Amino acid sequence: KNEVEQSPQNLTAQEGEFITINCSYSVGISALHWLQQHPGGGIVSLFMLSSGKKKHGRLIATINIQEKHSSLHITASHPRDSAVYICAVHLFGNEKLTFGTGTRLTIIP
Amino acid sequence: DVKVTQSSRYLVKRTGEKVFLECVQDMDHENMFWYRQDPGLGLRLIYFSYDVKMKEKGDIPEGYSVSREKKERFSLILESASTNQTSMYLCASSGSSGAPYEQYFGPGTRLTVT
Repeated sequence: KNEVEQSPQNLTAQEGEFITINCSYSVGISALHWLQQHPGGGIVSLFMLSSGKKKHGRLIATINIQEKHSSLHITASHPRDSAVYICAVHLFGNEKLTFGTGTRLTIIP
Repeated sequence: DVKVTQSSRYLVKRTGEKVFLECVQDMDHENMFWYRQDPGLGLRLIYFSYDVKMKEKGDIPEGYSVSREKKERFSLILESASTNQTSMYLCASSGSSGAPYEQYFGPGTRLTVT
């Protein structure tokens, strides 16, 4: 069983819909990252968080440390949001990241 | 802006060839990482380095070696390329150890071994 599980694996939605991607982890962590990867492109860090909630434009990330769960929300989704979204965690005292397998999001105009 | 560059976007090599993938970062980061990314498996850590000439094995080091002679440059070496090393290779860097710093990724090298 992976230490980091994402759901759903694939998500297709209409433009304008509210999107939620979930990430659950099974170990103690010091921080959680949400990353975005466009087709053929590199990976961009969206958020790094260790508690509470962060917002950047139409993107919101939340984390519940007790429940070992994080969500990434996209409001008013747009076709340019189509990408793979990856959850990754820093284990305590560890420089390395452990990654989920990603959620492929497709927004249809 | 942090910049992480990789020597090639696409590379085609033959089985048995020695392959060098180069990564350079311009932010004076101590930590550098090499990952491979495969469908359904996500990113997996091959090697990382936390200082010049220092290296540690990641989750899948077999068939690979690395070199870090200068702080800004981290090279991944496939000593004898095999078809199961066909993959997307991503390099990343991050700041000082002791804290969960953000990792900055390069654009990736798609390697095909025939």
